[in-house]
Amino acid sequence: AQSVTQLGSHVSVSEGALVLLRCNYSSSVPPYLFWYVQYPNQGLQLLLKYTTGATLVKGINGFEAEFKKSETSFHLTKPSAHMSDAAEYFCAVIGTGRRALTFGSGTRLQVQP
Amino acid sequence: GAVVSQHPSRVICKSGTSVKIECRSLDFQATTMFWYRQFPKQSLMLMATSNEGSKATYEQGVEKDKFLINHASLTLSTLTVTSAHPEDSSFYICSARRGTGSFDTQYFGPGTRLTVL
Repeated sequence: AQSVTQLGSHVSVSEGALVLLRCNYSSSVPPYLFWYVQYPNQGLQLLLKYTTGATLVKGINGFEAEFKKSETSFHLTKPSAHMSDAAEYFCAVIGTGRRALTFGSGTRLQVQP
Repeated sequence: GAVVSQHPSRVICKSGTSVKIECRSLDFQATTMFWYRQFPKQSLMLMATSNEGSKATYEQGVEKDKFLINHASLTLSTLTVTSAHPEDSSFYICSARRGTGSFDTQYFGPGTRLTVL
């Protein structure tokens, strides 16, 4: 079984500041990890994913995430927030033998001018 | 990139009626599609896994007779909410899995907002 915990349901940053959205996972098998972004009344857009190989994964819109097995974490970062980054962000995991994603509860990112 | 569409994007219906939602993968074939439900300000909850040419697999607690899923082709899955009631009002999102290997990725549709009066 697998699960995802996103710490902080709301995160507020100033424009230009560092964005850090936290995600910890639990999985009995090597996980595949994903970050998705959702804008109001829209579906989900894949930001980035980790399957195997390099633990630092770069995604779209300047986001990146680092898989840390020892910490069971997959935190999402962006060096400089932009107003357009304001959205809901979901961390998700797939474990072996299961094809559906298990989502975290989501983190709403607000960007203040 | 892979594109998944949903139709309709928004539907309002009366209690007791049935509503069909379509999910299409526009530029790839998807042997597996998923249906999720999202309540306001909450995460996505998997309802069922739809496999082309076979019966859908429903998650625990999801009524299969109420939420009928058909995956008749490699590019189309439909979700029919039968005898809809106000508590069925929600945001329904489908996703299509591209690929069959270990690195497959799910691509999500834009969602369908169902309001049952």
